[in-house]
This record gives sequence, structure tokens and C-alpha cells, in this order.
Amino acid sequence: DAKTTQPTSMDCAEGRAANLPCNHSTISGNEYVYWYRQIHSQGPQYIIHGLKNNETNEMASLIITEDRKSSTLILPHATLRDTAVYYCIVRRSNYQLIWGAGTKLIIKP
Amino acid sequence: DTGVSQNPRHKITKRGQNVTFRCDPISEHNRLYWYRQTLGQGPEFLTYFQNEAQLEKSRLLSDRFSAERPKGSFSTLEIQRTEQGDSAMYLCASSSGQGADYGYTFGSGTRLTVV
Repeated sequence: DAKTTQPTSMDCAEGRAANLPCNHSTISGNEYVYWYRQIHSQGPQYIIHGLKNNETNEMASLIITEDRKSSTLILPHATLRDTAVYYCIVRRSNYQLIWGAGTKLIIKP
Repeated sequence: DTGVSQNPRHKITKRGQNVTFRCDPISEHNRLYWYRQTLGQGPEFLTYFQNEAQLEKSRLLSDRFSAERPKGSFSTLEIQRTEQGDSAMYLCASSSGQGADYGYTFGSGTRLTVV
């Protein structure tokens, strides 16, 4: 199974861009990369997903390297409410999400 | 439609008792998934349904666990003879399953504590 590697924790100043890296060097050609976040005791919240191209939505941008071995989630203007655990996930071809341990992102005032 | 709904939010049970959780997915979603999450870890896949058919089960889903989706709408997850190791957050998600490019919507989960 393609697995992901993320930093255990990161800090970011409020108002700055938060850049969260993810390594998925064993990803297969048809496996999507998803990002979710989870605030304590709540269900995971969808952020963004992509296959090969960079993607942007109202929450974030996803930058995927050309070889697809890594990606970066960018929160352009972090707020205190963005403090959460962020998961970089690879979707197996049979639609199963393979989760790692995530990055605990702390936004500091 | 307000998203994926899970009930109850919390369940405390004594070891050896049976428990059942319910998940109501987004109405137009034909795929439904169950995951389990223990403290400090990411969710682990348990099983998934396409309409009423259970298409995949993880080896984590022991004989004490059973999931159903009888009419292709809501789903139930039952744990028989609960053990302390079953204490976890049980998450349900749904997706449209159209093509290959889609997102998953998760519910708020049911937190099970076995005492």
C-alpha cells in the first residue's frame, strides 16, 4: 500500500501561509492524494484532493511534484481556527483511504 | 441534506455487551465506508458498501463485527461481546462513487468506551 510520511508537528504564525509537506514516494500512477483535517473530537473535514495537477479551492492549494512522490498543502492565510491535525492520504484504487499519523499544525497569534 | 449523520455520538458499555451504531449518509451517495480511529492515530478502514452490497472488509473486522446496509441507504455497525480493545471512535463516510474523481464526507463519529 502506498503510505505517506508527514512531520509530526508544525507551527505557523497567524496570517502567514502554512505549508504542510507530505512524502508519498511509493504512490502508484492511478492513486489520488487527499488532504483532510481533524479538530479534536470531530470527524475529518475534507480539504482538497488531486491526481497529477496542482489544485486550488476556497480552503487551500495542493501542489504535487511532477514525479508525484511528494506534495504540499498550502493554507494561504492561516487563522487560529486552522489549528488541527492535517492528514495526507493516498487513495487505493479500490477506493480505500490509507491514512498516516498526520501533522499537528498549531497556529500561533 | 446536512451531511453524514452518526448516532449515538457517545456510547459507554460494559465489556461483553453488544452495541450497534447507525450511519445516515448523504442521500445521493451510493458508497458508504466505516473506519475506526484510536487515540493519536489516523483512521483505519473497516469496510465499504456500494449501495446495499458489502464489497470489502478489512481483516480488522473480526467475527464479532458485522455491518449492514439493507436498503442501500443507512448503515449499521454492530459489535458483539465488546472488549476493552474495541474502545475507539467509529467513523462513517460516504461518497458518490461516480468516476474516479470524488471526495469523501465524514460524519462526526461515535465514540465507544468499553469499561
